[in-house]
Amino acid sequence: KAGVTQTPRYLIKTRGQQVTLSCSPISGHRSVSWYQQTPGQGLQFLFEYFSETQRNKGNFPGRFSGRQFSNSRSEMNVSTLELGDSALYLCASSLIVFPYEQYFGPGTRLTVT
Amino acid sequence: AQTVTQSQPEMSVQEAETVTLSCTYDTSESDYYLFWYKQPPSRQMILVIRQEAYKQQNATENRFSVNFQKAAKSFSLKISDSQLGDAAMYFCACRRGGSNYKLTFGKGTLLTVNP
Repeated sequence: KAGVTQTPRYLIKTRGQQVTLSCSPISGHRSVSWYQQTPGQGLQFLFEYFSETQRNKGNFPGRFSGRQFSNSRSEMNVSTLELGDSALYLCASSLIVFPYEQYFGPGTRLTVT
Repeated sequence: AQTVTQSQPEMSVQEAETVTLSCTYDTSESDYYLFWYKQPPSRQMILVIRQEAYKQQNATENRFSVNFQKAAKSFSLKISDSQLGDAAMYFCACRRGGSNYKLTFGKGTLLTVNP
């Protein structure tokens, strides 16, 4: 079974631009979560989607948004990019039954210049 | 709210030896899960081991085992017979029970394995 895939793997954007990252979960997994990883703040939860609905949201500004499609694929969008948004963005998918383990994708490395 | 603390930013171990990584956590939940994830230089986060808080028995997965001390809110990872491939950043994480998927991570411990 294929793992979680994220595209693109690397991205360079300019401050003020917007960016969209994509995540395809493991087949059969309907929950998708997003995390931001930076050297300073570590791993921080952004949001989680299930059945096209956002169920949980972390403490990030409204510039960070996401959505989930009917096939469980998810996208996250960051508008008006800031230098501090440079990070590794990780997506994780999970079944909705015990033990609810999350499986991570390889991440998208976003660099904002 | 949950917090996870890893007090060892870096650890090193000789190949074939045993090493223990420390983690303490705080949660007001009675139902929760604890995890250790491994992140090698490739950056792919890999689940190492899971512990349900309601289970008294410590989880084991081959060379990996945990020491779960619920009253002390301690959750350490022991790696036996360390291998070069074990070199990675290790993260301890906590999650509420049920279908809440938000993981709270510690800052991580960088493990070096010396040949």
